[in-house]
Amino acid sequence: ETGVTQTPRHLVMGMTNKKSLKCEQHLGHNAMYWYKQSAKKPLELMFVYSLEERVENNSVPSRFSPECPNSSHLFLHLHTLQPEDSALYLCASSQEGSLPYEQYFGPGTRLTVT
Amino acid sequence: GENVEQHPSTLSVQEGDSAVIKCTYSDSASNYFPWYKQELGKRPQLIIDIRSNVGEKKDQRIAVTLNKTAKHFSLHITETQPEDSAVYFCAASNNNFNKFYFGSGTKLNVKP
Repeated sequence: ETGVTQTPRHLVMGMTNKKSLKCEQHLGHNAMYWYKQSAKKPLELMFVYSLEERVENNSVPSRFSPECPNSSHLFLHLHTLQPEDSALYLCASSQEGSLPYEQYFGPGTRLTVT
Repeated sequence: GENVEQHPSTLSVQEGDSAVIKCTYSDSASNYFPWYKQELGKRPQLIIDIRSNVGEKKDQRIAVTLNKTAKHFSLHITETQPEDSAVYFCAASNNNFNKFYFGSGTKLNVKP
């Protein structure tokens, strides 16, 4: 698959589990993002990585921990989540400083916390 | 920080009619306004965008207008078709194009 890929596509985890979401972009972009999409809520920006450095942490609880080992890969490590963390988690990438500033989204991981 | 409000939350139109979705923003420094379309079960995709030095932009059946003074921008879809049914998100960004503030989305239903 080209563009932005995410694995797994669906994840069910208990509140005491530890899991990780993976995102990979095949577009040669230099910025990557994690968004949370809940029902009836706007897309909430969680983290931004630019040139592999975290440039934004939008007041996200510490139970979410991002990792960007290189410009093509982004992880979101999850531990001791709450039921209200159930949502669709979208990864995106873009080319910073280059028009049209489009965010290319992955298909998302549907997370359910039980 | 920026606050983007989007209305309506749902919109139902008859095929062939026009649809208008409106957004307001709070930060006068915002200067880039994209619109994304998210079909059911699919990822959001950019459909049109406008920068603050332009008042209107058109691409076939879709157009976006921007009123900087009033801090609002709108998406216009003419001659709607069933395949236009989706959730549409507006967003605002300033010179830091790494940060996008999204509206809450509008679910558009085009009835055949």
